[in-house]
Amino acid sequence: DGGITQSPKYLFRKEGQNVTLSCEQNLNHDAMYWYRQDPGQGLRLIYYSQIVNDFQKGDIAEGYSVSREKKESFPLTVTSAQKNPTAFYLCASTPGTGISGYTFGSGTRLTVV
Amino acid sequence: QKEVEQDPGPLSVPEGAIVSLNCTYSNSAFQYFMWYRQYSRKGPELLMYTYSSGNKEDGRFTAQVDKSSKYISLFIRDSQPSDSATYLCAMSGRRGSYIPTFGRGTSLIVHP
Repeated sequence: DGGITQSPKYLFRKEGQNVTLSCEQNLNHDAMYWYRQDPGQGLRLIYYSQIVNDFQKGDIAEGYSVSREKKESFPLTVTSAQKNPTAFYLCASTPGTGISGYTFGSGTRLTVV
Repeated sequence: QKEVEQDPGPLSVPEGAIVSLNCTYSNSAFQYFMWYRQYSRKGPELLMYTYSSGNKEDGRFTAQVDKSSKYISLFIRDSQPSDSATYLCAMSGRRGSYIPTFGRGTSLIVHP
């Protein structure tokens, strides 16, 4: 079945450490996105990529980094510069502009301990 | 004021009730309107997608857009306990961008 796979489902990180969240899709979608979801705040866009080897900052990119070396993969690194990293992270993809909606992964819950 | 306003709830209804979920927005440039359903600890899934004003029906779900009032609604008929989830509205099209702006989500509880 086609879809988006995010791993791991739960992740614990010590303060001061970088951590990378995986996102893989087999939908042959061109565009991929990373969102952060906090209780009561909805989804906020971190980074997005519309083609391989190119990506743009979203609304809350500070403290995060991404790469897009392959069409199928869009990993997100949460760096130690991110002041409040505990959140639910969602990866999504669209075949083109995203005009007709996203396909989301199941998310990664990151907790800083 | 946020661009997209959505009451977080929770909204609690008995099984079989008609549910009305709503969002208001401030930017008249939005043209594309979506509703997503999100179960606990899962990613959102697209329920309905509409362009501009009007109604769209899909089974028990009806999406309604009133651009003159900057108001969108999702109606669920004959609600079931399995409809218990968070419902997120999203809209796009401003500044020529299709990246959506999401509402905060409304938590719906349908009790047997």
